[in-house]
Amino acid sequence: SQQGEEDPQALSIQEGENATMNCSYKTSINNLQWYRQNSGRGLVHLILIRSNEREKHSGRLRVTLDTSKKSSSLLITASRAADTASYFCATDGTGRRALTFGSGTRLQVQP
Amino acid sequence: DAGVIQSPRHEVTEMGQEVTLRCKPISGHDYLFWYRQTMMRGLELLIYFNNNVPIDDSGMPEDRFSAKMPNASFSTLKIQPSEPRDSAVYFCASSPPQTGGANVLTFGAGSRLTVL
Repeated sequence: SQQGEEDPQALSIQEGENATMNCSYKTSINNLQWYRQNSGRGLVHLILIRSNEREKHSGRLRVTLDTSKKSSSLLITASRAADTASYFCATDGTGRRALTFGSGTRLQVQP
Repeated sequence: DAGVIQSPRHEVTEMGQEVTLRCKPISGHDYLFWYRQTMMRGLELLIYFNNNVPIDDSGMPEDRFSAKMPNASFSTLKIQPSEPRDSAVYFCASSPPQTGGANVLTFGAGSRLTVL
């Protein structure tokens, strides 16, 4: 079963708007990461937040983490058509190198 | 670096045939992962290696699947015999020796398998 569940499953916005995606997970984690997947491509790492961090920024990306609620959110500000992709959260755990991926959010940014 | 290289990018085969997918990880990365992606099940971990040794193969669906890593620069995922339900995109990913507790994966472009 998926460690992470994301919502919404799909999101359609206009260029310039902000996009927010949420991820929930079930077990204790060391880190939480977000990856992007363009259609027909492999996943690309976007940002990592550690379990002792609450918020992190990278360019137009902002990630929050609430370990008490086992949830994270990814905010993309001032979206562009090129942001159209699927976005996945991924978690690891104690003693486990492999990442467990969520179900993903498909983002469509209309020009 | 050319990144993680997978081949073939696309494969169409008939049920019962043997399928071999190949992966070349990034030089210096000591972890290698095989994932499978389908619409129904999302991204599933099949197996991962550390320094060419399989660490966790609990995600391998059944005995029809096998994976090897004969050296640090090459891994194969074999399906024999293949079945239509094996149709999926298979991804290989690698990661460097762990620094600061973070494990960031670099993915290949994937191998899309269609079993008729």
